[in-house]
Amino acid sequence: SQTIHQWPATLVQPVGSPLSLECTVEGTSNPNLYWYRQAAGRGLQLLFYSVGIGQISSEVPQNLSASRPQDRQFILSSKKLLLSDSGFYLCAWSVNRQPQHFGDGTRLSIL
Amino acid sequence: SQQGEEDPQALSIQEGENATMNCSYKTSINNLQWYRQNSGRGLVHLILIRSNEREKHSGRLRVTLDTSKKSSSLLITASRAADTASYFCATDKGGNQFYFGTGTSLTVIP
Repeated sequence: SQTIHQWPATLVQPVGSPLSLECTVEGTSNPNLYWYRQAAGRGLQLLFYSVGIGQISSEVPQNLSASRPQDRQFILSSKKLLLSDSGFYLCAWSVNRQPQHFGDGTRLSIL
Repeated sequence: SQQGEEDPQALSIQEGENATMNCSYKTSINNLQWYRQNSGRGLVHLILIRSNEREKHSGRLRVTLDTSKKSSSLLITASRAADTASYFCATDKGGNQFYFGTGTSLTVIP
């Protein structure tokens, strides 16, 4: 069966520090992968999606970047975090435009 | 940009009552989906309705789609305390991107 792992579950970082969030998927091949950010009490904002290794599409200009070094690995990064980067980050996968499957999220707090 | 918008933003009902939440979107879609999110967790897919469908059922869930009004509704019948969660609609235009609404926070009081 397919599973998605996202870590860490919570993270507290100082302003200006780097960031690396990782997401891995098991049990499926060549999935579409997604990073979303959710502000408190709000909907999901699509940040990046990827249809294959090394292929990244960005939805909004921002302080973040994404990479897909392997078929089932998706990484969200920043060189210098801003206060506005705080939020709940969710990774998701789908295949053949089927419904998305989400990880349990990372709650990122910037101090 | 987010394409969907749910209303109401928050809904509080007694256990056993029905809960109805609505989603409106702005442009033509291929599919519309409803997801559920428990507090602090990821989203879980509930039901998908295609643009050529008008109504779909799954257990206690009933979804309708009116493409002429660009709106959908999710009805949860005989609600339970365990249905307490946020509910989101998501649309796609046939591509790889999904656009989520702002969500309805449902509280079911035992």
